[in-house]
Amino acid sequence: GAVVSQHPSWVICKSGTSVKIECRSLDFQATTMFWYRQFPKQSLMLMATSNEGSKATYEQGVEKDKFLINHASLTLSTLTVTSAHPEDSSFYICSARPILAGATYEQYFGPGTRLTVT
Amino acid sequence: EDKVVQSPLSLVVHEGDTVTLNCSYEVTNFRSLLWYKQEKKAPTFLFMLTSSGIEKKSGRLSSILDKKELSSILNITATQTGDSAIYLCARAGGATNKLIFGTGTLLAVQP
Repeated sequence: GAVVSQHPSWVICKSGTSVKIECRSLDFQATTMFWYRQFPKQSLMLMATSNEGSKATYEQGVEKDKFLINHASLTLSTLTVTSAHPEDSSFYICSARPILAGATYEQYFGPGTRLTVT
Repeated sequence: EDKVVQSPLSLVVHEGDTVTLNCSYEVTNFRSLLWYKQEKKAPTFLFMLTSSGIEKKSGRLSSILDKKELSSILNITATQTGDSAIYLCARAGGATNKLIFGTGTLLAVQP
């Protein structure tokens, strides 16, 4: 149980285009999902916290107009990278916290999406 | 600002060696300290530590939290090539219970 999927697993796009990445919790419901990015050989950096039915909370320094997050249902959150540039090339990982997690910090990670902007 | 710092940044050992990875954190709104192993894709969960001084163990891996020193260590005994990965620690806490990840330690185990 507790499987999180991401789609696509990798994507190449041209500079100036937009890319949408989906994060789904397959066998549980999640009111909260998190989006991270990771550069090669670096740690995960939290970009935003996505709550179902409300606006995402972005971390300092993350442009909310560039990284659009929509948490449309209890099993789906999407991250859209708008007007992508080569510096947006990175590994994007989502995680989902089950509704029943309560006071614990249980999060399940998706397999990640590698974005390359040419 | 919340910070989690790991050391060393990278480490190369030979199979059979024992390694100790370090993690230090800031105390603001601290709830738990988590360790993850990341190979090619997403991190996989290893341990969650909440209480100081209580060792958690899983096979050749063990971890302990020291709240007085605001730190944690992850030990791996009799290392194997399959232990090669990035090891991440993360501090959980704050109003949104978000995870703040450390810098990571890249461990390479040579045959």
